[in-house]
Order: sequence, then structure tokens, then C-alpha cells
Amino acid sequence: GQQVMQIPQYQHVQEGEDFTTYCNSSTTLSNIQWYKQRPGGHPVFLIQLVKSGEVKKQKRLTFQFGEAKKNSSLHITATQTTDVGTYFCEGTNAGKSTFGDGTTLTVKP
Amino acid sequence: DAGVIQSPRHEVTEMGQEVTLRCKPISGHDYLFWYRQTMMRGLELLIYFNNNVPIDDSGMPEDRFSAKMPNASFSTLKIQPSEPRDSAVYFCASSRITGTGELFFGEGSRLTVL
Repeated sequence: GQQVMQIPQYQHVQEGEDFTTYCNSSTTLSNIQWYKQRPGGHPVFLIQLVKSGEVKKQKRLTFQFGEAKKNSSLHITATQTTDVGTYFCEGTNAGKSTFGDGTTLTVKP
Repeated sequence: DAGVIQSPRHEVTEMGQEVTLRCKPISGHDYLFWYRQTMMRGLELLIYFNNNVPIDDSGMPEDRFSAKMPNASFSTLKIQPSEPRDSAVYFCASSRITGTGELFFGEGSRLTVL
């Protein structure tokens, strides 16, 4: 079955440093979604990527979909303490979606 | 607009007891999903409904788990009998379009089975 892997599992950064999480799928995806879950909270939708090579930006967040539509990344520039949480990707293929295990980001002020 | 509403937020029960979790999706959303989240297994899709009809229940762990959606505004996930390994956070989510749209998650029901 479809597998979606995320790395790293954990990332600790100093406030102001950059952060990147990577998502890799065992199959070609039709689209990919990214979510953020704050500690003790619930996943909240951030963005969806559909096109090969697509790049989207939300303020300090940059999302990228690979050319082969099998991988994606989320990059945060100059992290802030409000960025803490777990970032999940959700890969979709043939109507079935699978969540990655997430990358948990902690930010030291 | 009210989001996805789940109850109870927390439940502590003893092994062998029946547990019922409830969910009210966002009005107008045709799809409803039940997820389970644990440290060991991450976010697992248990079952999802389209227009109140179960479409894929392949993620339901075993016969102790059952889910219903009697109408467009209500769904339940039942565990009978509950076991300690069922301890997890159970999320309900709804969406307009499955696979291509965003999921709106409820705040979750944290279940502890002693």
C-alpha cells in the first residue's frame, strides 16, 4: 500500500533559524496536503499542492511539490516560538490519502 | 461557522466498558472521517463516510469498533468492549470533497482505558 514518510522526526532549532521537513511517498501522488498540529491541539490545514514542481508561499512558510510528485517539503524561514508543533503531510493517490508520521518542531527562544 | 464538534473531550474508563464518541460535522460537508492518533502509530484513518454511507472501513482495528452515521449531522464511534490499547486521541474530521479538499478536524476525544 501507499506509504508516506517524513523526515526528520524531531527538529530543535534556535529562534531565528530556518527549518525544513521532507515528505516522501512510495507512489506518485495526485496531490499533497500539509497540516500543523500545536501541542495538545488538532491538525489544522495549511495548504494543498497539486501541480508538479509547484511552489507556494505563506509568509515565512514555503511549500514545494517535487517534479515527480513523489516528494514535498515545507520550509520555514526565521522560525518563531509560535511555529512550534508537529507538521504533517498527507499524500493522496487514487482517492486514498495517507498521513506521514509528522515532524515535531521545537523552538528555543 | 461552528467547526467540527466532538464529545466527550476526555473519557476515562475501565477495561471492558463500552465507549461512545460523538461527532457533529460542519454543515454542508459530505464526508466524515474518524482518525485515531497515538505516539506509536501516528494518525490512522479508521473509517470514512460519504453522504452518511460508510465507504472505507479498512482501518477499523477489529470487531470491537463500530461507527455509524444516522444522519448528515451526527456520527458515533463505539468501542465495545474497550481495552487499554485503545487509549488514544480520536479525531473526527469533515470535508466537502475527499482527497482533494482540506480536512477540518474536531478538537478530539482523549480516551484512557485503565
